[in-house]
Amino acid sequence: KAGVTQTPRYLIKTRGQQVTLSCSPISGHRSVSWYQQTPGQGLQFLFEYFSETQRNKGNFPGRFSGRQFSNSRSEMNVSTLELGDSALYLCASSLVGFSEQYFGPGTRLTVT
Amino acid sequence: KQEVTQIPAALSVPEGENLVLNCSFTDSAIYNLQWFRQDPGKGLTSLLLIQSSQREQTSGRLNASLDKSSGRSTLYIAASQPGDSATYLCAVRGEGETSGSRLTFGEGTQLTVNP
Repeated sequence: KAGVTQTPRYLIKTRGQQVTLSCSPISGHRSVSWYQQTPGQGLQFLFEYFSETQRNKGNFPGRFSGRQFSNSRSEMNVSTLELGDSALYLCASSLVGFSEQYFGPGTRLTVT
Repeated sequence: KQEVTQIPAALSVPEGENLVLNCSFTDSAIYNLQWFRQDPGKGLTSLLLIQSSQREQTSGRLNASLDKSSGRSTLYIAASQPGDSATYLCAVRGEGETSGSRLTFGEGTQLTVNP
């Protein structure tokens, strides 16, 4: 069974631009969560989607948004990029919210 | 607010040694606890998942224990190998529907196993 995939793997953007990251969960998984990982803050929860609905949201500004499609694939968008948004963005999927979570390889975003 | 702490932050051991990584959490109302490993610049690999009703889980050379009431978990690695070198992360999921699949992570323990 294929694992969680994330595209693109690497991205370089300029401050003020916007970016969209994509995540394809393991087949059959309905819950997709997003995390931001930085050296200073560690792993922080962004949001979770389950059956196309945002079920949970972390403490991030409104510039960070996401959505989930009917096939459970998810996208996250960051608008008006700031230097501090440079991070590894990880997506995780699980069968349902409370089951074991599986992470993708991440998207490395660099904002210059 | 749940806080997760991992001790030590870094550990360097010779190959073949048995070792213990520690994880503590402030709110004992957890649904489960998951241990992950992360290689530099990579995603997270799930190692073990312990439900709140369980005391321990084993997978190969790995054994994780959970003491929910005291807010502690340990990851025991037997006969360590250089390939075990990575950062080990502990994460907890809270009880209740409002927690969803949100995981709260510790800062990790960076393990180096020297040949």
